[in-house]
Amino acid sequence: DQQVKQNSPSLSVQEGRISILNCDYTNSMFDYFLWYKKYPAEGPTFLISISSIKDKNEDGRFTVFLNKSAKHLSLHIVPSQPGDSAVYFCAARTSGNTPLVFGKGTRLSVIA
Amino acid sequence: DAGITQSPRHKVTETGTPVTLRCHQTENHRYMYWYRQDPGHGLRLIHYSYGVKDTDKGEVSDGYSVSRSKTEDFLLTLESATSSQTSVYFCAIRDGIGAYEQYFGPGTRLTVT
Repeated sequence: DQQVKQNSPSLSVQEGRISILNCDYTNSMFDYFLWYKKYPAEGPTFLISISSIKDKNEDGRFTVFLNKSAKHLSLHIVPSQPGDSAVYFCAARTSGNTPLVFGKGTRLSVIA
Repeated sequence: DAGITQSPRHKVTETGTPVTLRCHQTENHRYMYWYRQDPGHGLRLIHYSYGVKDTDKGEVSDGYSVSRSKTEDFLLTLESATSSQTSVYFCAIRDGIGAYEQYFGPGTRLTVT
């Protein structure tokens, strides 16, 4: 059973427009959520995170929104740039020192 | 960038042979993790360590063992490699002091023929 779900395997967006990547989770004990970006032949890199006590966190062009009642979070990238083309992983954790649980990823392609 | 290296970066081996992958960190972080990445499966946790000689199983631990004899090194061993273990393996670290982010190494591409 998948606790973190990214239901869109891929997304294509035009340069300058908004990219919205979605993530759903089933475990109500998750209290911290993260997004990672991964380029081919490289390791994933941390992008942005949000605590369950917040509903929004912003860092430059990247904003993560959390809707706890719907068990849903989303990553907004505005404006999208060709360099944003990568695979994006959503991850979550419960309290304590439990490892992160990752979704399957969404491949974003930003077209110039 | 977190100081994490993985070796080897690429390896081709035959079915039935033992293989050991090494993760080395220079950050003195307490937690270390091994993940595998496969198409359609994302990142799946194999094993992790929460201190020297302290390890635990992850989601896909069958066929793998780990050892951590010192803080900086975390070894992943495939006792008898199978074709289903062809994958890209990533090591990650976390300092465990308030921060929840894990930082990943560059990965090892393993092919079992």
